[in-house]
Amino acid sequence: DVVMTQTPLSSPVTLGQPASISCRSSQSLVDSDGNTYLSWLQQRPGQPPRLLIYRISKRFFGVPDRFSGSGAGTDFTLKISRVEAEDVGVYYCKQSAQLPYTFGQGTKLEIK
Amino acid sequence: QVQLQQSGPGLVKPSGTLSLSCDVSGGSISSRNWWSWVRQPPGKGLEWIGEIYHSGTTHYNPSLGSRVTFSVDKSKNQFSLRLTSMTAADTAVYYCVRDEGTVMDWGQGTLVTVSS
Repeated sequence: DVVMTQTPLSSPVTLGQPASISCRSSQSLVDSDGNTYLSWLQQRPGQPPRLLIYRISKRFFGVPDRFSGSGAGTDFTLKISRVEAEDVGVYYCKQSAQLPYTFGQGTKLEIK
Repeated sequence: QVQLQQSGPGLVKPSGTLSLSCDVSGGSISSRNWWSWVRQPPGKGLEWIGEIYHSGTTHYNPSLGSRVTFSVDKSKNQFSLRLTSMTAADTAVYYCVRDEGTVMDWGQGTLVTVSS
């Protein structure tokens, strides 16, 4: 299985300040079609996860532009340019390049 | 927008079988999507259980071995999960998911507790 490793596991951030989460995969996530199937999901407390970013950097419909994704190959990053109170929750990276699909352990974003 | 409504028991006895269903509204189960299941043990991360296409093609997580089975009922616009030989380690919130790659819709989640 592809192992997804996120750092940090916990991220206390001041409102209005940036935040960054790293995700590293144990194998390349580039598919035979040339696309890289790395997504980022947000799970607010008590809610199902929701898709934020797909294919490394494409924001899902309605996701604020303060969220951005970057990376290539096996190293990926989710950045929040200015953290707002509604951003509190757990963030997961997910790979859909190789079966079985796998998630990172999750990074808990909290306000200082 | 596609909506997913889950149904099924919240309590299963050890060695018993879990059956969950997911009703699809706002779209067809026969559309070009994979319909998947994800679970989350209390306080822990997400685990991909597997996926099914409307044709019946399935991909299962090998970690669950032969305990898991998915099915699609086109007449009900519904897909289902069956997990046998349940143990305490299977206690989790189970989610059904429409995963088109660029779109993900999630069910509300069902907390399933394995206990006698």
